[in-house]
Amino acid sequence: GQNIDQPTEMTATEGAIVQINCTYQTSGFNGLFWYQQHAGEAPTFLSYNVLDGLEEKGRFSSFLSRSKGYSYLLLKELQMKDSASYLCAVRDNDYKLSFGAGTTVTVRA
Amino acid sequence: IAGITQAPTSQILAAGRRMTLRCTQDMRHNAMYWYRQDLGLGLRLIHYSNTAGTTGKGEVPDGYSVSRANTDDFPLTLASAVPSQTSVYFCASSPSGSGADTQYFGPGTRLTVL
Repeated sequence: GQNIDQPTEMTATEGAIVQINCTYQTSGFNGLFWYQQHAGEAPTFLSYNVLDGLEEKGRFSSFLSRSKGYSYLLLKELQMKDSASYLCAVRDNDYKLSFGAGTTVTVRA
Repeated sequence: IAGITQAPTSQILAAGRRMTLRCTQDMRHNAMYWYRQDLGLGLRLIHYSNTAGTTGKGEVPDGYSVSRANTDDFPLTLASAVPSQTSVYFCASSPSGSGADTQYFGPGTRLTVL
C-alpha cells in the first residue's frame, strides 16, 4: 500500500513563494504527480516527476527525491487564483494512483 | 470536445436504493477510474479499468460495482446505498495509465444518502 503525507493547510501572501512538501512510503513507485483542485471543482494536472530532480513549469516547480521518498511543489509569485487544494499522488507499479489528503493553500492580499 | 462528463451533477438518495453514476469520455482513452473524495481523506480509488472489457478493484470497492462494455463509458453502480457512501464521486481517464500519462477528471457527482 501507499502512505502519503502532506500538510493540511498553508497560508501565504500574494507575490510570495510557498513550498508544499509531500512524503511517501510505497510498496512500488512509478511516478509522482501534483494536481490542483479549486473548491467544488475537479482536480487538474500540474506536474509529473519520475526521476530525481526539479521540473519547472512557469511559476510552478516540482522536485523529487526517490531515495528519501520526498517531493515538493513550489509555487512562486503567488496570485489570488492560486488559492486551492494541492494534491500529491504516487503511482504504483500497477499504474494506479494513491492520493494524499491534500494541502489547502490560502493566498492573502 | 467535452472531455469527461458525469451525470447526475448531484443526487439525494434514500438508503437501500440502487443508483448508477454515469461517466462518459470522448478522448478514446483506454484507462478509466472511479474515485470518491471525502473531507480529510483525499481521493480514494474505488474501481478502475485499464481497457474496455476489463475492470479491477481499487482501495475501497465494497458496495460498488462497475462495467466497461466499451471504451467511452464506465458506469458505477451502488446496489443498495448506505449513508457512508455519501461523498463526491469523480470519474477520470488516461490514455494508457503508464508513462507520463496523466489522469483527466470529470466534474464530479455529489451524492447524499439519507
